[in-house]
Amino acid sequence: AQSVTQLDSHVSVSEGTPVLLRCNYSSSYSPSLFWYVQHPNKGLQLLLKYTSAATLVKGINGFEAEFKKSETSFHLTKPSAHMSDAAEYFCVVSDGGQNFVFGPGTRLSVLP
Amino acid sequence: ETGVTQTPRHLVMGMTNKKSLKCEQHLGHNAMYWYKQSAKKPLELMFVYNFKEQTENNSVPSRFSPECPNSSHLFLHLHTLQPEDSALYLCASSQDRRGTEAFFGQGTRLTVV
Repeated sequence: AQSVTQLDSHVSVSEGTPVLLRCNYSSSYSPSLFWYVQHPNKGLQLLLKYTSAATLVKGINGFEAEFKKSETSFHLTKPSAHMSDAAEYFCVVSDGGQNFVFGPGTRLSVLP
Repeated sequence: ETGVTQTPRHLVMGMTNKKSLKCEQHLGHNAMYWYKQSAKKPLELMFVYNFKEQTENNSVPSRFSPECPNSSHLFLHLHTLQPEDSALYLCASSQDRRGTEAFFGQGTRLTVV
């Protein structure tokens, strides 16, 4: 069985400071991992994905994530937060095919 | 624009009404999904269709009835809903291949009164 833990339900940062959103996963297989962002009353947009190629994955809007198998982690980072980054972020694990398991989400607030 | 279109975007219905949500994708994907997103709760997978066949039903009440007439269209038929069914209903599609992501629609905001 697969599962995803997002350690923080809410993260608050100041504009221009780094962002770190934490994600740990559990999977019996070599997983694929994804980060999605959701702005209020919108659908989910893919930020980036890991599929067993390079462990450091770059995504859209300056986000990146590093796959660490030994720590079963896939934390999302951004060097400098922007006001438009305020949203809900979801870490997702998949063992392939149709089985996507979502984490509970982390709400990111960006303070001016 | 993700290539997955949901209609309507907003829906208000009484508990005795019957309505349907529609989802459409022209990405050539073979798998389609319905998710429910309620306030303060994790995203809940409701149904999965693969090549028009239902492959997963996550113990969803029978007042929700999915229909997948072809690989591009997915419906969720609603009848005799309860106020606690008010939520954002998200449709997604993907290719049934390892490492591929799901593409989501904008969702339908459903309010049951």
